[in-house]
Amino acid sequence: EDQVTQSPEALRLQEGESSSLNCSYTVSGLRGLFWYRQDPGKGPEFLFTLYSAGEEKEKERLKATLTKKESFLHITAPKPEDSATYLCAVPGTSGSRLTFGEGTQLTVNP
Amino acid sequence: EAGVTQFPSHSVIEKGQTVTLRCDPISGHDNLYWYRRVMGKEIKFLLHFVKESKQDESGMPNNRFLAERTGGTYSTLKVQPAELEDSGVYFCASSRNPGADTQYFGPGTRLTVL
Repeated sequence: EDQVTQSPEALRLQEGESSSLNCSYTVSGLRGLFWYRQDPGKGPEFLFTLYSAGEEKEKERLKATLTKKESFLHITAPKPEDSATYLCAVPGTSGSRLTFGEGTQLTVNP
Repeated sequence: EAGVTQFPSHSVIEKGQTVTLRCDPISGHDNLYWYRRVMGKEIKFLLHFVKESKQDESGMPNNRFLAERTGGTYSTLKVQPAELEDSGVYFCASSRNPGADTQYFGPGTRLTVL
């Protein structure tokens, strides 16, 4: 069974204080790994897809990386508007269902 | 391009009543998915449509849940009769292709069963 574990559950940062979120996965035959951002009361908003170990993607202050066992979402010099829950998900070995982690709730204080 | 839309945004019903949730996917997306998040848990898959056909309904919790996608456009998810444990946020997503294609999510419907 596919499994996704995210850590930490919650993270508080000061504005400008860089850090990383972790997503560990267990899936037979990775076909991709997705990062989403979710604001309160809204649906998950797509950020990145990573397909193979060693791949990196960047968007503004966010950079996602992928290894054979985990993915990291690095946040450089975060701002309060980066506060959100960040979700990691993988598609199943067969089919299209996404298995999600429980998310990391990030709070960036001014 | 309009995103995935869902209606209603909130629904409060009593145990035993029926509720129907609606999802309109992104235009041109043949693949439509339903997920839900119950309190304190991760988002979990319910089912996947390809056009009007159910491709995978292995995540549907029981036969009180009925999903349809007549004509391959919008989809409805009916819960009848609703139970307390059905409370949660129901998300719809769509993608152009199946497999590892990006799924775009709607804002969700928050269902509260009293």
